[in-house]
Amino acid sequence: AQSVTQLGSHVSVSEGALVLLRCNYSSSVPPYLFWYVQYPNQGLQLLLKYTSAATLVKGINGFEAEFKKSETSFHLTKPSAHMSDAAEYFCAVSLIQAGTALIFGKGTTLSVSS
Amino acid sequence: DGGITQSPKYLFRKEGQNVTLSCEQNLNHDAMYWYRQDPGQGLRLIYYSQIVNDFQKGDIAEGYSVSREKKESFPLTVTSAQKNPTAFYLCASSPHMNYGYTFGSGTRLTVV
Repeated sequence: AQSVTQLGSHVSVSEGALVLLRCNYSSSVPPYLFWYVQYPNQGLQLLLKYTSAATLVKGINGFEAEFKKSETSFHLTKPSAHMSDAAEYFCAVSLIQAGTALIFGKGTTLSVSS
Repeated sequence: DGGITQSPKYLFRKEGQNVTLSCEQNLNHDAMYWYRQDPGQGLRLIYYSQIVNDFQKGDIAEGYSVSREKKESFPLTVTSAQKNPTAFYLCASSPHMNYGYTFGSGTRLTVV
């Protein structure tokens, strides 16, 4: 069965610093991978997705993620954090060939200090 | 504008009562989902539906029920059998099962 592990429930960075949010997945078959962002008391918004094309995926708001099959990872990065990036981030996995719903990680809260 | 609408935004329920959370989408998506979110636990799947008049249980379906009589609508009923219903409930839809989801803005249910 597939699963997602997000390392670190809380990450703190300074404004302008690199953002790195870690996600590792477990899947016996090629997966689709997603990153979502959630602001307080709101729904989730899709940041980016990997669907077996380019391994480096660029998303909205300057975020990007790299699919590394050998490491079963899909870490989210942003070169320079902005105060508006403070939110909760979720990694999710789905199997390519099966009709299964997304499985989400437990989330990482990103704090940005000035 | 196309989107997915959840109502109400806040809902209070007395113990022993059933309540129904509304979810409507005008994106012409085939698949719809209900997730429950609790602090530190991420999103857990309650029910999902791939087509009209069909739905499947997710990981935590006990104490919940759904219907999918129309493509646009996927209401969730929280029954009195759900022992700990206080949570944030999120509805989502997608063109098909392996595609990215569009989420509603959520309903926060509190048992009083």
